[in-house]
Amino acid sequence: GNSVTQMEGPVTLSEEAFLTINCTYTATGYPSLFWYVQYPGEGLQLLLKATKADDKGSNKGFEATYRKETTSFHLEKGSVQVSDSAVYFCALIEYGNKLVFGAGTILRVKS
Amino acid sequence: DVKVTQSSRYLVKRTGEKVFLECVQDMDHENMFWYRQDPGLGLRLIYFSYDVKMKEKGDIPEGYSVSREKKERFSLILESASTNQTSMYLCASSPPMNEQFFGPGTRLTVL
Repeated sequence: GNSVTQMEGPVTLSEEAFLTINCTYTATGYPSLFWYVQYPGEGLQLLLKATKADDKGSNKGFEATYRKETTSFHLEKGSVQVSDSAVYFCALIEYGNKLVFGAGTILRVKS
Repeated sequence: DVKVTQSSRYLVKRTGEKVFLECVQDMDHENMFWYRQDPGLGLRLIYFSYDVKMKEKGDIPEGYSVSREKKERFSLILESASTNQTSMYLCASSPPMNEQFFGPGTRLTVL
């Protein structure tokens, strides 16, 4: 079946550092890919998405490119802030409208 | 903006009680979902629904049931709450084959 693998956390960075959170997937076909963010005590919010190969999703300084050759959708940000501290989930959508989530990566940004 | 609301942010119940968790969305979405989120286990799908009066089991339906009498409302029911159902419960809705929009979550404690 389809699956999503994320790098394990927690990831701890200093403010203004460069962020990469790796995400790879296994799927039949070319599903749409998503990054969600969950701030403490809240539900998940869509951060960005890409619907086909080579698409780049971007939002709030975060970017991710849909790479079908490496089946990856790595999340990057050039300069993180303390307010970016959250849990980040990579996901794909499969037939039947269900999302398949990665395990989530905790990001902690120190000032 | 899409809004998904859940009836309670925090709930405390006793073992054996019948518990209702309500979810309402205001964007006329066909699909609605219930997840539970536990540390180290990520998000797990309990039940989902493609349309009014339709329901499908997710990955962990045991001990739960659902009801969808109106398109905008999807209820999760714990017939006889147990301590291992203490968790964060997240509701989501989506149009077909598109991203899901999440509610703020209900943190349920069963004593």
